[in-house]
Amino acid sequence: EVQLVQSGAEVKKPGESLKISCKGSGYSFTSYWIGWVRQMPGKGLEWMGIIYPGDSDTRYSPSFQGQVTISADKSISTAYLQWSSLKASDTAMYYCARQVGGDPPPVPFDYWGQGTLVTVSS
Amino acid sequence: DIQLTQSPSFLSASVGDRVTITCRASQGISSYLAWYQQKPGKAPKLLIYAASTLQSGVPSRFSGSGSGTEFTLTISSLQPEDFATYYCQQLNSYPPTFGQGTRLEIK
Repeated sequence: EVQLVQSGAEVKKPGESLKISCKGSGYSFTSYWIGWVRQMPGKGLEWMGIIYPGDSDTRYSPSFQGQVTISADKSISTAYLQWSSLKASDTAMYYCARQVGGDPPPVPFDYWGQGTLVTVSS
Repeated sequence: DIQLTQSPSFLSASVGDRVTITCRASQGISSYLAWYQQKPGKAPKLLIYAASTLQSGVPSRFSGSGSGTEFTLTISSLQPEDFATYYCQQLNSYPPTFGQGTRLEIK
């Protein structure tokens, strides 16, 4: 069974750094692109970026380029989303998701993590 | 970025009704469109991709159609578990963008 299990909720202060994780299982982690999607409170979905764990090829939405870093450690089948300096506006639910098939993006996401709620408040 | 506009934004319907949600793209996207369902507190679920291909395991009462700039998601006979928010997503060009969502509630 394909599963993406994300790390737990985080409460941080503005200016702090953060790295959240997404562990894949039940499939070949290095053969599928893993993306990240933001959902701000009460709002819609935003595609942030994506990584191919096989070779770490990474692509970002222009809206998120330079604001976050996406990485992966294929030895432990885990993808990451990190911030170097959080802002209150980063408060949101963050989902990781696996792309359908092994084609390059953009392609729909067929499996999703349960989400990680990040709250940034002073 | 390609803008996707869903209509209506809110829909009230009854069990057994046939409902249609429309997604319009700001420019042509061929058939590179997906539909997702999201229930409160849950991750989105892929329903349809390539505008009309039903994802494995999704009930056949869901169907999608369209190409170019206008697309529709139809639920032929609403079931209680279908009350949720629905999003379209274009996958024609970077960045992939989502519509603003259509919230489907029980009348």
